[in-house]
Amino acid sequence: ELKVEQNPLFLSMQEGKNYTIYCNYSTTSDRLYWYRQDPGKSLESLFVLLSNGAVKQEGRLMASLDTKARLSTLHITAAVHDLSATYFCAVGSYNNNDMRFGAGTRLTVKP
Amino acid sequence: NAGVTQTPKFQVLKTGQSMTLQCAQDMNHNSMYWYRQDPGMGLRLIYYSASEGTTDKGEVPNGYNVSRLNKREFSLRLESAAPSQTSVYFCASSEVDAGELFFGEGSRLTVL
Repeated sequence: ELKVEQNPLFLSMQEGKNYTIYCNYSTTSDRLYWYRQDPGKSLESLFVLLSNGAVKQEGRLMASLDTKARLSTLHITAAVHDLSATYFCAVGSYNNNDMRFGAGTRLTVKP
Repeated sequence: NAGVTQTPKFQVLKTGQSMTLQCAQDMNHNSMYWYRQDPGMGLRLIYYSASEGTTDKGEVPNGYNVSRLNKREFSLRLESAAPSQTSVYFCASSEVDAGELFFGEGSRLTVL
């Protein structure tokens, strides 16, 4: 059974600092996604990673995928308050439609 | 651009009552999903549908039924609501199997 683990679950950081969120998964997969959720809102897609070594960047966020290690990272560079949200990774497979989510990382960026 | 539309947005039920959550997407996506979100547990898949007329159980299907009425619509039914089903429910769709998900705004359900 596919299991997805994120860490840390809670992250409080100062503006201007860097940090990385980790997403580990338990079985072979060929697609990984990162989503952002603001309080009381729905989820919006941030990154789609479909191959080993894939790296995507958008503003201060960069996501990467290592399928051999079954690990994805979401790196935050020079954090700003607007990045405060909950970030989820999700893992799926071409073989079925079962998309599993991590528990989420609640990020708070303090001035 | 409506995207994925869910109704109702809020609902309060008494234990044992039934209700249906409606979901419709206008992006011509093949796959549709129902998730529930509980604090500290991320999103858990209840049911999904890879195409019109097909449905499959996800991680937590007990107590729920679904119908893929057509390509656009995927409904979730609670036949006899229980307090454990108090949650926020999200419908999502994707163009391909296990593809990038597009979410509705969510439906907050409270069962007393």
